[in-house]
Amino acid sequence: SYELTQPPSVSVSPGQTARITCSGDALPKVYSYWYQQKPGQAPVLVMYKDSERPSGIPDRFSGSSSGTTVTLTISGVQAEDEADYYCQSTDSSITYLYVFGTGTKVTVL
Amino acid sequence: QITLKESGPTLVKPTQTLTLTCTFSGFSLSTSGVGVGWIRQPPGKALEWLALIYWDDDERYSPSLKSRLTITKDTSKNQVVLTMTNMDPVDTGTYYCVQNSAEVYYDGMGVWGQGTTVTVSS
Repeated sequence: SYELTQPPSVSVSPGQTARITCSGDALPKVYSYWYQQKPGQAPVLVMYKDSERPSGIPDRFSGSSSGTTVTLTISGVQAEDEADYYCQSTDSSITYLYVFGTGTKVTVL
Repeated sequence: QITLKESGPTLVKPTQTLTLTCTFSGFSLSTSGVGVGWIRQPPGKALEWLALIYWDDDERYSPSLKSRLTITKDTSKNQVVLTMTNMDPVDTGTYYCVQNSAEVYYDGMGVWGQGTTVTVSS
């Protein structure tokens, strides 16, 4: 089955830059998506089609793609950005399916 | 404003069938490019996509759970129902209903319900 791999945790000081990676073999061929989930809350879409931000998402969030790795970057991290982040993509190799990454806990020091 | 709300039992016994209902508003599941699906999250673990049904009745399922899942829609009631058979304690978790609109977010899940917690225990 298709898998998306993320680092379990990323720690960053306020005002610094956090980079969260997501790796998967199909990522050069399909779009990636990112979700932020705070404790006790439903996830929120923060990036779609690799690098597009939904309305209402601060511009300190950005996305990029390079080969089999996509990256969510949070510039000027704020305390409120502490959360779990999940990447998501699709597996179109056989049938059209959705896949989530393993998740990354971002801790603001 | 688009909203989705999950409903169903909070406790099911092992081997029983779980039936969850997603009631939504603010959009129509007969609109081209729109889908409604289900995602679950065991306590302390990652998100897992389960199933999605599209405006044209196309159904997609997680390969690992396909034999246990059925997703249906009632466009007139603005509802999507997920059934999962042969429940096991490992199926315990929060189940989310989501909307996918290809025209807006392509394959992204743009709107989520608040989630409903399901515990599988005898």
